[in-house]
Amino acid sequence: GIQVEQSPPDLILQEGANSTLRCNFSDSVNNLQWFHQNPWGQLINLFYIPSGTKQNGRLSATTVATERYSLLYISSSQTTDSGVYFCAAPGGYQKVTFGTGTKLQVIP
Amino acid sequence: EAGVAQSPRYKIIEKRQSVAFWCNPISGHATLYWYQQILGQGPKLLIQFQNNGVVDDSQLPKDRFSAERLKGVDSTLKIQPAKLEDSAVYLCASSLDLEVSYGYTFGSGTRLTVV
Repeated sequence: GIQVEQSPPDLILQEGANSTLRCNFSDSVNNLQWFHQNPWGQLINLFYIPSGTKQNGRLSATTVATERYSLLYISSSQTTDSGVYFCAAPGGYQKVTFGTGTKLQVIP
Repeated sequence: EAGVAQSPRYKIIEKRQSVAFWCNPISGHATLYWYQQILGQGPKLLIQFQNNGVVDDSQLPKDRFSAERLKGVDSTLKIQPAKLEDSAVYLCASSLDLEVSYGYTFGSGTRLTVV
């Protein structure tokens, strides 16, 4: 099945700093999603982004499908951005595979 | 719109006991998923339903886990008998259709501790 790798595994940021999270996938995909899991465990869908770039406030994402990677940008980070960020890609018949996540801690 | 509802939020059981989790998806969502998330890992798909039919259960440990989605709406996931390694958060998600392009919505999960 498809392999989804994320980097870095852990990230500590000072509030206000910017960061880039990366997701590499082993096979071509027709969609990719980014999720944020908050410290209480709730998974929130951030972006559905099979290709191109999307922006939502301080967050933006870019997927280069031909090169099998996606990037999530966080600008002017806030403590509420803390949590784990997952990318997820379909492998097989719409069976979505999650990456191992990037754990982000934003300190004031 | 109401989100994906799950219950209970927490459950502690002894090994070899049985347990059941309930999920009510967003109204009109045909596709329902159960995921297992072990601490420090990403969610792993256990079973995927389209209406009341199973699309994928290849990663469901069928000797102890079972799931059903009668009438194509809410769903129940059961573990019998539970093992220590079943301690995890069990997440339910739904989407409008099999086309994942519509995006997932997750419930808050059930945290299971097996002692």
